Amino acid sequence: ETGVTQTPRHLVMGMTNKKSLKCEQHLGHNAMYWYKQSAKKPLELMFVYSLEERVENNSVPSRFSPECPNSSHLFLHLHTLQPEDSALYLCASSQQYSGMAAGGYTFGSGTRLTVV
Amino acid sequence: RKEVEQDPGPFNVPEGATVAFNCTYSNSASQSFFWYRQDCRKEPKLLMSVYSSGNEDGRFTAQLNRASQYISLLIRDSKLSDSATYLCVVNANNDMRFGAGTRLTVKP
Repeated sequence: ETGVTQTPRHLVMGMTNKKSLKCEQHLGHNAMYWYKQSAKKPLELMFVYSLEERVENNSVPSRFSPECPNSSHLFLHLHTLQPEDSALYLCASSQQYSGMAAGGYTFGSGTRLTVV
Repeated sequence: RKEVEQDPGPFNVPEGATVAFNCTYSNSASQSFFWYRQDCRKEPKLLMSVYSSGNEDGRFTAQLNRASQYISLLIRDSKLSDSATYLCVVNANNDMRFGAGTRLTVKP
């Protein structure tokens, strides 16, 4: 248990479905992140929240919609996804959103998403 | 040119071997550097930070060469448990870039 909990661990959804991924951190961190990891590709940063404010949105399609209701919880709402969106979605947190953040990243176990 | 480039491997080595990975980065303004380890179907975990003067943690040694824009990771006396994918991470002004990883398999 890393202190960052993601649910569900696995998700299969149709292209017309709506689902949500949940991330919860118990570390008292102020920054939270969503990353996408596809096979044999680098992790792609999707969204960053610092103190519940979105500070980065890296040209992510609108079918992905993040929500950060408080500093401990982060959601990723999914709708009308495409098969190419199938990947491992990782949540991470860090004490602060800063240049040293990678040193203090704690990742959740990820949600393995399959879009059919 | 990729932002952060790593040889994907796989590196297949016997137990006890010494193995080295390199990682090159394109942004000369990069400020901090890290190695993460990711086991199969698990999340990445911080292995070690990389300091300008080089640093060592047990069997692991990390080096930074700013002039040539690469970092390296040396693993001595490889163990079966070292089998994993090693991710290079480079940060420039809060822009974190991950390499695609180098896969290592240590065999008996």
